Order: sequence, then structure tokens, then C-alpha cells
Amino acid sequence: GAGVSQSPSNKVTEKGKDVELRCDPISGHTALYWYRQSLGQGLEFLIYFQGNSAPDKSGLPSDRFSAERTGGSVSTLTIQRTQQEDSAVYLCASSLARGPTDTQYFGPGTRLTVL
Amino acid sequence: TQLLEQSPQFLSIQEGENLTVYCNSSSVFSSLQWYRQEPGEGPVLLVTVVTGGEVKKLKRLTFQFGDARKDSSLHITAAQTGDTGLYLCAGISPNQAGTALIFGKGTTLSVSS
Repeated sequence: GAGVSQSPSNKVTEKGKDVELRCDPISGHTALYWYRQSLGQGLEFLIYFQGNSAPDKSGLPSDRFSAERTGGSVSTLTIQRTQQEDSAVYLCASSLARGPTDTQYFGPGTRLTVL
Repeated sequence: TQLLEQSPQFLSIQEGENLTVYCNSSSVFSSLQWYRQEPGEGPVLLVTVVTGGEVKKLKRLTFQFGDARKDSSLHITAAQTGDTGLYLCAGISPNQAGTALIFGKGTTLSVSS
């Protein structure tokens, strides 16, 4: 079956512009995660959706970052007024969320470059 | 804030050599996972260890979870060029409501022939 897909694969934008990143999780996976991977910082948790519960937004670095998950499937991560420090690879993962050791399946990521 | 420290950060070896990568924390984790990531792709899960002292083997890879569940190691025997990649450890806190992972910064392994 299809894995997690993300689009676009690469995004170059100018400082101050808004960007939207899309994640299509594996069908049937109720949990969806966004992470950010930047040089020297490793992978950082951003936000977590589980079913119809309120999302865990504790990892969002500022109020310029937001995410939504429509119909329990596709998710969009929006970054407003992008800054150069937002340049990173944004990774999405999904899981069945049956328990804390459940496997998270990652997409290939979106590489964001803010000029 | 829980942190996972990985060492070494970079490792460059010849094919056939053995190596060990370490993942350490001052915090206890309910479980710990190891991932491998190749350029342009997302991380792929290699193993999950749950019990303190647990040892798991995956072909030439041996994973160990410390008795106190604060540290882990990955040992590769007779490394091959196909082992090249970024190795990440990730912990799951026993206090987290969800299952968002806490990642180390990774070990970049380069195996040359």
C-alpha cells in the first residue's frame, strides 16, 4: 500500500511570505505528527493529531505556525510570515496509535528554503 | 526538558569494521527506538526496545536498552557500504499523553569500500 506522502517535495519562498505544506497519511492511521529537521538541531516535534481529540500543539515554535487535519486524514502545516530560521525539512508521520510503541511511518519530507 | 545525546556525531569507517553508536539521557524513557534515515527520505524504524536490559538483534545490528532505561546502544558488526546513513535514537517519555517522539541529533555513518 501507499506510504505517507508529502507535497511539495521542495519549496523556496521569500522571507515574509506564507507557505502551506501538505501531508497525506497512510489510510486508516488515526495519529498524525509533524516534525521539523534542521542542521544541528535534529528532529523536533511540532504538533500531534489523534482522531477527533484536540491536537497537541506543544511543539509549535511560534504563533506563526499552525496546522489542521481535515476529516481525520490530510493535514496542512501553515507557516505565516516565514523567516530564514524556518528553513528546514518538515516531516510528517502517521501511525495506528494503538499504543506508545506503535510504529510511526514517515513521509519523505518537504524541504523549505526561506530566502 | 528531556534530551537524548547521541555519540559520536560523525563516524567514517572501512567496510568490515565494527562500530557502536550511543544514545544517552538523564531521563527515564518508557521505550526507545532506533531509526535509519537516507538522504531525501524520512526515517525508517529499525527497532523498539521496551524492557530495561533488553537486547535485540537485527542481522548484523545489535540494540541494547540500559537497565535503567536511560540509555541505549547500537552495535554494527562487519559494516557494509549499505549501512551508510543517519542513525537516530528516539525516546518515548512515560509522562507524555501522546506518543510524540524525542529524537537525538543523530549519528552520520559513512562506510567506504
